Amino acid sequence: DGGITQSPKYLFRKEGQNVTLSCEQNLNHDAMYWYRQDPGQGLRLIYYSQIVNDFQKGDIAEGYSVSREKKESFPLTVTSAQKNPTAFYLCASSIWGANTEAFFGQGTRLTVV
Amino acid sequence: GIQVEQSPPDLILQEGANSTLRCNFSDSVNNLQWFHQNPWGQLINLFYIPSGTKQNGRLSATTVATERYSLLYISSSQTTDSGVYFCALRQANAGKSTFGDGTTLTVKP
Repeated sequence: DGGITQSPKYLFRKEGQNVTLSCEQNLNHDAMYWYRQDPGQGLRLIYYSQIVNDFQKGDIAEGYSVSREKKESFPLTVTSAQKNPTAFYLCASSIWGANTEAFFGQGTRLTVV
Repeated sequence: GIQVEQSPPDLILQEGANSTLRCNFSDSVNNLQWFHQNPWGQLINLFYIPSGTKQNGRLSATTVATERYSLLYISSSQTTDSGVYFCALRQANAGKSTFGDGTTLTVKP
């Protein structure tokens, strides 16, 4: 099956801990994205990557880090510096460019306990 | 950056009713998508529609790029249509999308 796989679906973190969210795609897309969604709100861009070994900050990058060592994978680390990490995180991929369609994974719900 | 406004923010319908959701944007765009977010949080692609009109079953969408708006029509609504509907835009030379705040649709049996 072609698509985007995020894991885990649910994640609990203690305050002060770093956690890494996984995102894998087999659509052969160059571009990958991480969004954050808070209850009742739209999606805000955290980081995006146009190509392997390159990534750019989005609108709310503080407290997050990413890597792009493989085309298929774009993990997101939520660091202890992120003041309010409890949220729903969505990963997406697309062919890079303005005239292309983006596809999303099923999301990871992170809760700080 | 580009501003995206969706209306109405909330919509409650009886099963079988029709509805129109609107997405207004403040600048020219190269790309517009409509998504449905289901109760489990997944975003389902509905339409890729930078201009013109498309139909898929009970759903159709129209984008008038020159007037900077897009409409999503849902006919004969069903309870499974409930959820949040987002429009997302991309401008020229931008590979990343900007989302509206969504319209929350509740269809009652």
